[in-house]
Amino acid sequence: DAGVTQSPTHLIKTRGQHVTLRCSPISGHKSVSWYQQVLGQGPQFIFQYYEKEERGRGNFPDRFSARQFPNYSSELNVNALLLGDSALYLCASSVDRDGYTFGSGTRLTVV
Amino acid sequence: EDQVTQSPEALRLQEGESSSLNCSYTVSGLRGLFWYRQDPGKGPEFLFTLYSAGEEKEKERLKATLTKKESFLHITAPKPEDSATYLCAGNSGGSNYKLTFGKGTLLTVNP
Repeated sequence: DAGVTQSPTHLIKTRGQHVTLRCSPISGHKSVSWYQQVLGQGPQFIFQYYEKEERGRGNFPDRFSARQFPNYSSELNVNALLLGDSALYLCASSVDRDGYTFGSGTRLTVV
Repeated sequence: EDQVTQSPEALRLQEGESSSLNCSYTVSGLRGLFWYRQDPGKGPEFLFTLYSAGEEKEKERLKATLTKKESFLHITAPKPEDSATYLCAGNSGGSNYKLTFGKGTLLTVNP
């Protein structure tokens, strides 16, 4: 059974650009969460979606947005990229509020 | 505000030398204390979820325990392949569906 799939695995963008990151959850999982992990820190919560509705939002600026599609896959969008947005972006899927399974992440570098 | 603190930040052990990692938490309405293992450049890999004080779970050389304020990850007779960053996270109750992570403990096991 496939795990959580994230694409792309690596990405280099220039300051001010926009980026879209994608996540496919484990089959049967209706909830998707996004986390940002800066080097040397633990992951920080950005969003959670369940059945296409936003269920939670972390302390991130409005430049960050997300959505969930009917097939439960999800996109994270970041506008007007800053150098400080460079991080590993992680997607996690779950059946309910327990048992979060993470993908391998997308490494975003902003130059 | 929910808070999770892990100690030590880094731990170096000799193969076979047992030790414990600490996770102190202040998470309102805690619904689950999670332990993950993370290898460099990869997403967190789920290890355990603990739900109530006094609960213990074991997996190979790892045992996780939970009190009302702390969780411990005990590593018995570690091997070099146990080297990784170990992350602790609390899942809060209420309507905010987020995991609050600590910064992690970097464990190195020397042969």
